[in-house]
Amino acid sequence: GQQLNQSPQSMFIQEGEDVSMNCTSSSIFNTWLWYKQDPGEGPVLLIALYKAGELTSNGRLTAQFGITRKDSFLNISASIPSDVGIYFCAGRRAGGTSYGKLTFGQGTILTVHP
Amino acid sequence: GAVVSQHPSWVICKSGTSVKIECRSLDFQATTMFWYRQFPKQSLMLMATSNEGSKATYEQGVEKDKFLINHASLTLSTLTVTSAHPEDSSFYICSARRAEGTYNSPLHFGNGTRLTVT
Repeated sequence: GQQLNQSPQSMFIQEGEDVSMNCTSSSIFNTWLWYKQDPGEGPVLLIALYKAGELTSNGRLTAQFGITRKDSFLNISASIPSDVGIYFCAGRRAGGTSYGKLTFGQGTILTVHP
Repeated sequence: GAVVSQHPSWVICKSGTSVKIECRSLDFQATTMFWYRQFPKQSLMLMATSNEGSKATYEQGVEKDKFLINHASLTLSTLTVTSAHPEDSSFYICSARRAEGTYNSPLHFGNGTRLTVT
């Protein structure tokens, strides 16, 4: 199935640095979700976005729904070691028969050095 | 709230046997559950959509006779991998959406099941 283009694939940063990752698609999405997955566990929802242009924060995390509805970004400020994990964007396409189904990005592997 | 539980967390089975994985919504009712498959260092790929009281909808390329899905109640969906082969070894994850939610409601994921077929 279709996948979202998520970048970067991996990031190695120092504790305290800010992080930015994004997802793009050739299709329009009406929902963007950002998840974090720790090894051997299921994804945990971080932020949900429902409107084009929407900017939402969750603690040190901020995500935006692109105005074209074809992209979204996630920023993490002042990273800490427990931010380590794989971050996935996921989108729901507008219309069609894909009721409630999500399309996932390839993931961004984040490593934070103390 | 919105806890989804999967069981077992991991399972090892012999080639040719069948394995059943359970997905339960613990504190809410879910009319729709989704089953995903994830290979190491890869993204989640949707296998099928499980609807309570009706047949599951499978994604293209997923064999419905091999991956049997049953959604008999609003809190339980099961995935049975029949006649398992080593290439079926993977991380299987379910997700659920609240019954009272809309199609836009966020999905809550289980902790996944690591299947190893020897």
